[in-house]
Amino acid sequence: DQQVKQNSPSLSVQEGRISILNCDYTNSMFDYFLWYKKYPAEGPTFLISISSIKDKNEDGRFTVFLNKSAKHLSLHIVPSQPGDSAVYFCAASRNGSSNTGKLIFGQGTTLQVKP
Amino acid sequence: KAGVTQTPRYLIKTRGQQVTLSCSPISGHRSVSWYQQTPGQGLQFLFEYFSETQRNKGNFPGRFSGRQFSNSRSEMNVSTLELGDSALYLCASSFRGPGGGSSKSGANVLTFGAGSRLTVL
Repeated sequence: DQQVKQNSPSLSVQEGRISILNCDYTNSMFDYFLWYKKYPAEGPTFLISISSIKDKNEDGRFTVFLNKSAKHLSLHIVPSQPGDSAVYFCAASRNGSSNTGKLIFGQGTTLQVKP
Repeated sequence: KAGVTQTPRYLIKTRGQQVTLSCSPISGHRSVSWYQQTPGQGLQFLFEYFSETQRNKGNFPGRFSGRQFSNSRSEMNVSTLELGDSALYLCASSFRGPGGGSSKSGANVLTFGAGSRLTVL
């Protein structure tokens, strides 16, 4: 049972344009959502997170939007840069377990930003 | 501050063998989690250790086990290896102090190591 889904395996955008990565989830008990970025031969690195009581969180070029009624979140990168080319993972943690090391990850979306 | 260190980085084993992977967390981090990454499956949670105790466990068979030492370093072991165990095994650490998470939103941020790439032949 895939509780967190990233239905687009890959995305290609032009440098300077907006990149939108999507993520859907099924479990309404999730209370935090996180995005990680992974380069080849490296571990995932934390990008940005959002609490389920918020609908938007912004950090520089990165903004995460949460639509609880649709059980959908998205990561916007504006403007996209070639260095953003990586695999992006959406992850979620369960209600009442904000300090847990257990995250449920999506399958990942490979972003390619073309110069 | 040194990051999460995993050893070995690469290893090749044959079916039926067993393997032990090691993880040294960031200094001061008390929680260590293990994940398996395979193509198309994303990262699958294996287990989490905190203060030498297993606190969470994923849906993996008993061939997968782990432990944590008093200095927070952790090891995971896979016995009777199968071809399907070929994967990248990632270790992550977090402070997991009282009051919850370490990000601005309150989420608990895991810091991952570079992983141990296991190939089973």
